[in-house]
Amino acid sequence: DAGVIQSPRHEVTEMGQEVTLRCKPISGHDYLFWYRQTMMRGLELLIYFNNNVPIDDSGMPEDRFSAKMPNASFSTLKIQPSEPRDSAVYFCASSFSGTSGSGAQYFGPGTRLLVL
Amino acid sequence: AQKITQTQPGMFVQEKEAVTLDCTYDTSDPSYGLFWYKQPSSGEMIFLIYQGSYDQQNATEGRYSLNFQKARKSANLVISASQLGDSAMYFCAMREGPGSGAGSYQLTFGKGTKLSVIP
Repeated sequence: DAGVIQSPRHEVTEMGQEVTLRCKPISGHDYLFWYRQTMMRGLELLIYFNNNVPIDDSGMPEDRFSAKMPNASFSTLKIQPSEPRDSAVYFCASSFSGTSGSGAQYFGPGTRLLVL
Repeated sequence: AQKITQTQPGMFVQEKEAVTLDCTYDTSDPSYGLFWYKQPSSGEMIFLIYQGSYDQQNATEGRYSLNFQKARKSANLVISASQLGDSAMYFCAMREGPGSGAGSYQLTFGKGTKLSVIP
């Protein structure tokens, strides 16, 4: 079974550039979550979608961040313009809301972003 | 108040010994779920084990078990027969809300415990 797929795995960019992170959730999962992890702030939820619709984006730090989910198998997180403080590991996770199971979130491998 | 508290920033355990990682939680919702995740140095977040608030038995998954004490609001992870590959950060997380449609609720994560297994 394919897990959550994220690309790129590593991204190095210069301040002011646009960065696009990509995620493919597990097939059949109806929830998708974007997280950011830093040493200082730990794991932060940025935004999550249900059936491709954004439900809660209160964790998005500012207008420079945007996320889309055009279909059930693809989501993007975009930072424009990027700043050095955006350097972090960005995780995508997905889960299934069926009545059986725990609703556990399954994480992708993450994208390590470095903004110079 | 923090919803998930992991009081042990770091723990050491001898290989083949058992270790308990502490987690306490705070919620007024009668329906909730508790999760443990492992994050090795390679960075990925790996789901280990789940306990629902109405589950009567403590959850077990291989060498992992969850010591669920509802009255104390604790959900400690027990790893038996530690292996070198168990060295990692371990995160406790909570979902507030009912089990149906369980994926619909966000998880609140603790700050983690770094476990080091000594040969």
